Amino acid sequence: DQQVKQNSPSLSVQEGRISILNCDYTNSMFDYFLWYKKYPAEGPTFLISISSIKDKNEDGRFTVFLNKSAKHLSLHIVPSQPGDSAVYFCAASDSGTYKYIFGTGTRLKVLA
Amino acid sequence: DGGITQSPKYLFRKEGQNVTLSCEQNLNHDAMYWYRQDPGQGLRLIYYSQIVNDFQKGDIAEGYSVSREKKESFPLTVTSAQKNPTAFYLCASTSGPGNTGELFFGEGSRLTVL
Repeated sequence: DQQVKQNSPSLSVQEGRISILNCDYTNSMFDYFLWYKKYPAEGPTFLISISSIKDKNEDGRFTVFLNKSAKHLSLHIVPSQPGDSAVYFCAASDSGTYKYIFGTGTRLKVLA
Repeated sequence: DGGITQSPKYLFRKEGQNVTLSCEQNLNHDAMYWYRQDPGQGLRLIYYSQIVNDFQKGDIAEGYSVSREKKESFPLTVTSAQKNPTAFYLCASTSGPGNTGELFFGEGSRLTVL
């Protein structure tokens, strides 16, 4: 039972344009959502998070949007840079537990 | 520097052997986690521990065992009962659940069964 889903395995975007990565979840108890960036053979690095009491959170070029009714979140990267090329994972947590559940990842390629 | 240290980075094992992966953190975090990454399957939770001397099974605990005798340490043993142990293993920690903090990850350990 995949509680957190990233339905696009890969995405290619031109440098300078917007990258939009999507994530869906099924568990209505999730109330904290995170995005991570990962390079091969390295640990994931935290990018940005959002609490379920908000619908948007910005940090520089990164913005996360949360639509609770649709159980959907997205990560926007503007403008996209070649150094953004990596695998991006979304994750969800229920603050009543210590479990963090990850999606399967989306490989982003930013073309110069 | 504060962080999470995993060792070894690469490990080879013969079939039928148990192997233990080390994870140490100096972030003073209460909770620690083990994930496994396989191609196309994202990060899957093996075990997690909220506090010393306590741990819970994640989604794929079969064939694995853990201990949490110290706050700083959360070793993972891959036993011979694990059917497909070849994978990239990631250890993580956090100061609290859900809204109180993000997970911090180590650099990972790649286990290959020969």
